[in-house]
Parts: sequence; C-alpha cells; structure tokens
Amino acid sequence: DGGITQSPKYLFRKEGQNVTLSCEQNLNHDAMYWYRQDPGQGLRLIYYSQIVNDFQKGDIAEGYSVSREKKESFPLTVTSAQKNPTAFYLCASSAEWGTGGGNEQFFGPGTRLTVL
Amino acid sequence: LAKTTQPISMDSYEGQEVNITCSHNNIATNDYITWYQQFPSQGPRFIIQGYKTKVTNEVASLFIPADRKSSTLSLPRVSLSDTAVYYCLVGQVIKAAGNKLTFGGGTRVLVKP
Repeated sequence: DGGITQSPKYLFRKEGQNVTLSCEQNLNHDAMYWYRQDPGQGLRLIYYSQIVNDFQKGDIAEGYSVSREKKESFPLTVTSAQKNPTAFYLCASSAEWGTGGGNEQFFGPGTRLTVL
Repeated sequence: LAKTTQPISMDSYEGQEVNITCSHNNIATNDYITWYQQFPSQGPRFIIQGYKTKVTNEVASLFIPADRKSSTLSLPRVSLSDTAVYYCLVGQVIKAAGNKLTFGGGTRVLVKP
C-alpha cells in the first residue's frame, strides 16, 4: 500500500530532552511537510521540503529542526528549545511541486507528543 | 495567502444535506479553493478543490460564485461517519514559496442520529 507512515503514534518525553519524530512516504512525492496541531485548533506549518537536501522554515519553526537526506524520509526533531512541545504532529507529502491548482497534500496518521 | 472565515460549528441529522460556506474576500486571481476533512486524532483528508463555478465528485460538491469571494461545500445525505472538522483553504502554488497551506480553525460538523 502506498502512503505515509509516522511513528510512533504516541510519544512521551521528559522536559529538556530532544526527540525525533519519524515520517516516511512511498508515494514518490517530491514535497514533504510537518505541521503541528494543538487541541481545537487548525494546523500550523513547521517546516517543508520541496526536494531532497532542501527545506524551508514554515510559520513556527523555532525549536524544531529537520533533515531531508532521502526522498522518502523527512524526520522532525523537537528540541529542548521548543517551549510548548506537547502537541499532535502531522507529516504530509505532495507531488508535482510548483504546478498550478494547489496540489493535494496526503497526511500521515500523526504522532501525539507529550512532554512531562 | 488569502484569509478564510467559516462557521465554528454546525449540527445536522443523518440523511440531510450539509452546506458549509467559507468567506475569502481577498482571494487572488491564481488562488484555488480546497476543502479538507479531519477526524479526531487523524490527519486531514482532501475532499474537493475548485477554481470557479461548480465541482462535484463522489463525496461532495463545491459551489463557487462568479466573484469567488466565498464558496460552499455541500455534503449530500450525511451519515454519522461524516462527523468531522472541515477546513476551507485558499491558496496557490508558487514555485518560489512552495505549496504552503494555511489551515484555519475549521468547521466542526456534528451529525446526529
């Protein structure tokens, strides 16, 4: 089955620890994205990547870091500098970067991070 | 990115048609209108996208008036499983900036038996 996987589904960490969230896609999509969602709120863009070895900051990049060494993988690290890391994190991907029509984004199942 | 305004919540009953209107007064010429559906603790799912007039697929219809300052998502004969949050997004794909989507608060639709 083609799709996006995120692991783990639930993650608990102590305050002050860095944690890396996994995102893998086998859709052969060029673009990948990370969003954060807080309870009752919409999604906010953290980072996005148009192509391998390239990524851009989104609206709330502070306290986060990413890498894009492989087309299918876009891991997100939540660092100790992120003041309120507890949230639901969603990864997405899309094809045909730069085409008209606002290409559809495909989302993973999400990782719920709780920092104790 | 154009700002969107949509109702916070709507209640409906099984079998009824649900219409959610989204306002986007500052929509740009190259902007498309896209709707996503999100169930609790899941990622959003693409429903429909359009530029003008009417678009229909197996799930929903999207009505866009000539001035494009608003759009209406229509869900025919909803069932309990249509209870979800529906997001209206307006934007274009710009090669330099990328395909950045801005999700507002969405509309929480509750379908009752």
